Amino acid sequence: DAGVTQSPTHLIKTRGQQVTLRCSPISGHKSVSWYQQVLGQGPQFIFQYYEKEERGRGNFPDRFSARQFPNYSSELNVNALLLGDSALYLCASSRAWGANTEAFFGQGTRLTVV
Amino acid sequence: EDQVTQSPEALRLQEGESSSLNCSYTVSGLRGLFWYRQDPGKGPEFLFTLYSAGEEKEKERLKATLTKKESFLHITAPKPEDSATYLCAVQAANTGNQFYFGTGTSLTVIP
Repeated sequence: DAGVTQSPTHLIKTRGQQVTLRCSPISGHKSVSWYQQVLGQGPQFIFQYYEKEERGRGNFPDRFSARQFPNYSSELNVNALLLGDSALYLCASSRAWGANTEAFFGQGTRLTVV
Repeated sequence: EDQVTQSPEALRLQEGESSSLNCSYTVSGLRGLFWYRQDPGKGPEFLFTLYSAGEEKEKERLKATLTKKESFLHITAPKPEDSATYLCAVQAANTGNQFYFGTGTSLTVIP
């Protein structure tokens, strides 16, 4: 089985622009979560989706939004980019929603805002 | 506020020199503690899940243990290929499967 796939792998954007990141979960997994990892820090939770519904949201501004599609893939959108949005964006795939569920991460999308 | 703290921030070991990494947590109702390995510029790679105090899991040179307040990742006779950042994450009772991550321990194993 293929693991979690994310696209693109690298992206350079200008301040004020908008970006869309994509994630395909492991086959059979119905939950996708998004994390932001700034250099030297641990990943920080942004969103969690299960069965196409938002199940959790971290402490991020409304410029960040996401959705999950019927095939369980997901997109993360960030509007009005700021320099501080530069980070590695990680997608995690889980079989279900709730506690005691292991999460498997993709390789991430490296976003640089200039 | 829920907290996950990892120590040390960085660790340099000679090949074959065993040591332990620490992850302490203060969350309400721990549901699971997870260890990941992360290579530079890559996504975290799943290593272990621990659910209850006293639980232990092993994989090759790694062994993870869990108490009510902390977890240890023991590395026995490390090799240079074990060099990576090791991340600890916890799930709490009221947060679905959202993970709270520590900042990681950067391990360097010198040949």
